[in-house]
Amino acid sequence: QVQLVESGGGVVQPGRPLRLSCAASGFTFSSYGMHWVRQAPGKGLEWVAVISYDGSNTYYTDSVKGRFTISRDNSKNTLYLHMNSLRAEDTAVYYCAGGVWYFDYWGQGTLVTVSS
Amino acid sequence: EIVMTQSPATLSVSPGERATLSCRASQSVSTNLAWYQQRPGQAPRLLISATSTRATGIPARFSGSGSGTEFTLTISSLQSEDFAVYYCQQYNVWPPITFGQGTRLDIK
Repeated sequence: QVQLVESGGGVVQPGRPLRLSCAASGFTFSSYGMHWVRQAPGKGLEWVAVISYDGSNTYYTDSVKGRFTISRDNSKNTLYLHMNSLRAEDTAVYYCAGGVWYFDYWGQGTLVTVSS
Repeated sequence: EIVMTQSPATLSVSPGERATLSCRASQSVSTNLAWYQQRPGQAPRLLISATSTRATGIPARFSGSGSGTEFTLTISSLQSEDFAVYYCQQYNVWPPITFGQGTRLDIK
């Protein structure tokens, strides 16, 4: 069955970097666009970034442009989110999600808390 | 950016009754709209794509309709496991992909 397992979350100080990973299995990872979607505590869903199936195209929501980088390693079936210059407002559960335009598959999420 | 607005924010319905959730787009999204269910402590799961196509394994009591700017998710006979938060999402114009703020479906 399809599995997406995120890791790398934790407590980080403002301005520091963090890298999230998402290990995929049970589907042809290299054929799917992949996304990061986040959810601040008690809030709704916010799309963060997408990467095309081959990594050639990436797009970001405005609030993370220039700070976050989405990447993938199809040989390892793994998606990444490199987050720099973290802010308190980046505190959220980060989900990786698979799909081209909508999200067929979701991981269980990893919590990122930005706090001094 | 297309703004998605869901109503009501909270809906209280008795088990076995019908629930109707609404989603409005700030401009036309054609039929490029999806619905998700999120139970407490869980990740969202896809219910419906392309306005009315149920995802694999989704019961027939879930149905979607609409086009352009007005969309509806209907749950025909509520089961206990259906009480959750529901989100709509447009994918007609992106980036950014945008979600509605959610409708919480509570037991009456």
